[in-house]
Amino acid sequence: KNEVEQSPQNLTAQEGEFITINCSYSVGISALHWLQQHPGGGIVSLFMLSSGKKKHGRLIATINIQEKHSSLHITASHPRDSAVYICARGADGLTFGKGTHLIIQP
Amino acid sequence: DTAVSQTPKYLVTQMGNDKSIKCEQNLGHDTMYWYKQDSKKFLKIMFSYNNKELIINETVPNRFSPKSPDKAHLNLHINSLELGDSAVYFCASMGGTGPQGYTFGSGTRLTVV
Repeated sequence: KNEVEQSPQNLTAQEGEFITINCSYSVGISALHWLQQHPGGGIVSLFMLSSGKKKHGRLIATINIQEKHSSLHITASHPRDSAVYICARGADGLTFGKGTHLIIQP
Repeated sequence: DTAVSQTPKYLVTQMGNDKSIKCEQNLGHDTMYWYKQDSKKFLKIMFSYNNKELIINETVPNRFSPKSPDKAHLNLHINSLELGDSAVYFCASMGGTGPQGYTFGSGTRLTVV
């Protein structure tokens, strides 16, 4: 079993919908990371969380340390948000989830 | 000004060859990493270097060796390449104080034929 589990694996939604991607991890962390990988392959770091909530534009990331759970939300989704979103547990390097493949249809 | 740059972007080579992938960061970060993304798109850490000292070495074959001439560079050398080494290799750096933490290179797609 992977130390980091994400759900859903695939998600297709209509433009404008509110998107939630969930991440659970089984061991302690120094930080929880959310990454975005576009179809071209490049990886961008979106958030690094150790507690609470962070917001950047239409993206919101939350973490519950006690429950070992984090969520990534996208408000007013847009086709350009289509990408793979990856949750990763940080502690001397990253342990990755398998990613959520998100498609936003116009 | 690319923050983390990897070269080459694509590498096609025959089994048994030895190859290197170079990585440089201009962010002043203390720690650099190599990650491997397999054919199923799953990412896994290979190595990390902190101030020229190896601090993580996952169960990676010893045909793979990281070499860091200085804090800004972490190169990956691969000896006796095998078909199963075909993957995308990402270099990354982390400074610890930035809001997002990690900065990734654009990746090197290695194909062993």
